[in-house]
Amino acid sequence: NAGVTQTPKFQVLKTGQSMTLQCAQDMNHNSMYWYRQDPGMGLRLIYYSASEGTTDKGEVPNGYNVSRLNKREFSLRLESAAPSQTSVYFCASSDLGQENTEAFFGQGTRLTVV
Amino acid sequence: RKEVEQDPGPFNVPEGATVAFNCTYSNSASQSFFWYRQDCRKEPKLLMSVYSSGNEDGRFTAQLNRASQYISLLIRDSKLSDSATYLCVVNVYGNNRLAFGKGNQVVVIP
Repeated sequence: NAGVTQTPKFQVLKTGQSMTLQCAQDMNHNSMYWYRQDPGMGLRLIYYSASEGTTDKGEVPNGYNVSRLNKREFSLRLESAAPSQTSVYFCASSDLGQENTEAFFGQGTRLTVV
Repeated sequence: RKEVEQDPGPFNVPEGATVAFNCTYSNSASQSFFWYRQDCRKEPKLLMSVYSSGNEDGRFTAQLNRASQYISLLIRDSKLSDSATYLCVVNVYGNNRLAFGKGNQVVVIP
């Protein structure tokens, strides 16, 4: 049981390049999330998907797009990377709506934009 | 006002001592509460859910105070391995997302 799998684990991009971060979960969760974490800022929600076929903006969506490809997969795309997008990105999944259900996180993607 | 607020610390704790910290939340409709632990450069992992009646898991005790809108975490007999950042997490039913605090950094000193 892999839980939440993110790829890649590390990435270096040049300013203006594009890339897609992949996330897949095998727990049959309805909800999936993308967060970024910067020093001193905590986890900030970029986008989330409450269920297959729906996506919503979080706290910091600018510069990102997402696709909920199916129930398992939720990808995050940077169309034109900027140095301000240097961060650690975490994907998570959960079945929110059930009392006290927890969120499970992937191992993170460490992205550097130069 | 932020949805979830925590004093980031660091909280420097002598080994064997007790440390406690609170987290306040702004939405009175919040209904699920959690403490997550995050080690340096790792993903957050659930430490414990917080129930209305309070709950204990070994050396860790969590409390919820709905009237004052805060949750607390107490760690007794601190171990070096307890050094981590503890994230307060809140969910509002129907909101379909979790709100995270910035975390309380705990450093246990030998």
